[in-house]
Amino acid sequence: DTAVSQTPKYLVTQMGNDKSIKCEQNLGHDTMYWYKQDSKKFLKIMFSYNNKELIINETVPNRFSPKSPDKAHLNLHINSLELGDSAVYFCASSPTTDYEAPYNEQFFGPGTRLTVL
Amino acid sequence: GNSVTQMEGPVTLSEEAFLTINCTYTATGYPSLFWYVQYPGEGLQLLLKATKADDKGSNKGFEATYRKETTSFHLEKGSVQVSDSAVYFCALLHMDTGRRALTFGSGTRLQVQP
Repeated sequence: DTAVSQTPKYLVTQMGNDKSIKCEQNLGHDTMYWYKQDSKKFLKIMFSYNNKELIINETVPNRFSPKSPDKAHLNLHINSLELGDSAVYFCASSPTTDYEAPYNEQFFGPGTRLTVL
Repeated sequence: GNSVTQMEGPVTLSEEAFLTINCTYTATGYPSLFWYVQYPGEGLQLLLKATKADDKGSNKGFEATYRKETTSFHLEKGSVQVSDSAVYFCALLHMDTGRRALTFGSGTRLQVQP
């Protein structure tokens, strides 16, 4: 059983195109995330949704727009792709953002490698 | 703000050697600390975690102890195997701000030679 799945696994596209990456989790978690891993392996948070509500929106170009149709899905749409968008994008989920929780383990998807030509 | 600093790699070891990957953090309060591993071509997997000072996380022969006095969470393994070759990420999760996103270190690549 796949806990956090992403599609596609690889995405190669031309500059200027619009593309989407899909993420689904079957863990019943309330919170989902998008992270970007650059060519030097550095990982940084982009967005976070809790029960379909945006709670983290880092300094990311407006060309990136997350969409959460329900709490099991968090998709990432990218407009007017640029060369610098080439990276691996990871989706993750965690049980809750309950303030009382001692921690919230995040479960990661396999990643989507985006290559912009 | 929160930050995590890891030793730069790659770290190259022979099989059965002792491993230490250093990790220090900057954060107010009491963050939770994690080590994640990324095998070639795969996503991130949680390796171990610690949620309070002096906790020791352990898994698959790896250990790390949450040291608040030195703000460190160094990863150790007594005898590495070729199959341990991967990139290791130290990360923290800070609860006080209501922000639940992980702050990662830059990753350390481990290469274990037969």
